[in-house]
Amino acid sequence: DTGVSQNPRHKITKRGQNVTFRCDPISEHNRLYWYRQTLGQGPEFLTYFQNEAQLEKSRLLSDRFSAERPKGSFSTLEIQRTEQGDSAMYLCASSMTGEYGYTFGSGTRLTVV
Amino acid sequence: AQTVTQSQPEMSVQEAETVTLSCTYDTSESDYYLFWYKQPPSRQMILVIRQEAYKQQNATENRFSVNFQKAAKSFSLKISDSQLGDAAMYFCAYRGKIQGAQKLVFGQGTRLTINP
Repeated sequence: DTGVSQNPRHKITKRGQNVTFRCDPISEHNRLYWYRQTLGQGPEFLTYFQNEAQLEKSRLLSDRFSAERPKGSFSTLEIQRTEQGDSAMYLCASSMTGEYGYTFGSGTRLTVV
Repeated sequence: AQTVTQSQPEMSVQEAETVTLSCTYDTSESDYYLFWYKQPPSRQMILVIRQEAYKQQNATENRFSVNFQKAAKSFSLKISDSQLGDAAMYFCAYRGKIQGAQKLVFGQGTRLTINP
């Protein structure tokens, strides 16, 4: 297990298309988080899972965004009808209950043209 | 809502010198965690150091130390003996401790350049 893995690393899509990103957390971690980072800014919280339950969603997560974590392992983040404002780095992180810090993945950079 | 502010968009330092990055935050909670994360170009975010608010002693990790001033809600990072590999974006982050408070709140970041 080499850490948190995110795929793809880069995604270019046309406006209006749907995209899906995948995150594979560290296997023993039960918590998984999604963040969005725009250029020159700090990451912003989107949502988090404990096992398969989605426990918190940010207001940033509009109806076009959906996240799942079936079976409490990997997670997917889908954006429907992409807009240019969705262009950002999407970061995934994981942790264990009781741990204070996260382990981050390298992110998926989305460009909407 | 908690907020984190980093007032220095960019900093630079000569190799082997010491640099301090500033961070202030706002919260009504009495106990919480504070973190400094490092994000090298095109690489993943790495935890540098963390502080628990109830601990008065400032955290230290090798060349990295913090100056935690709880009353002033200030949490600065000092990097001693700067190395070329320290060049990165540095983010200050806050996390509450109340039940269910799992998310990190990040500042805007400080880009640190190391001059050889």
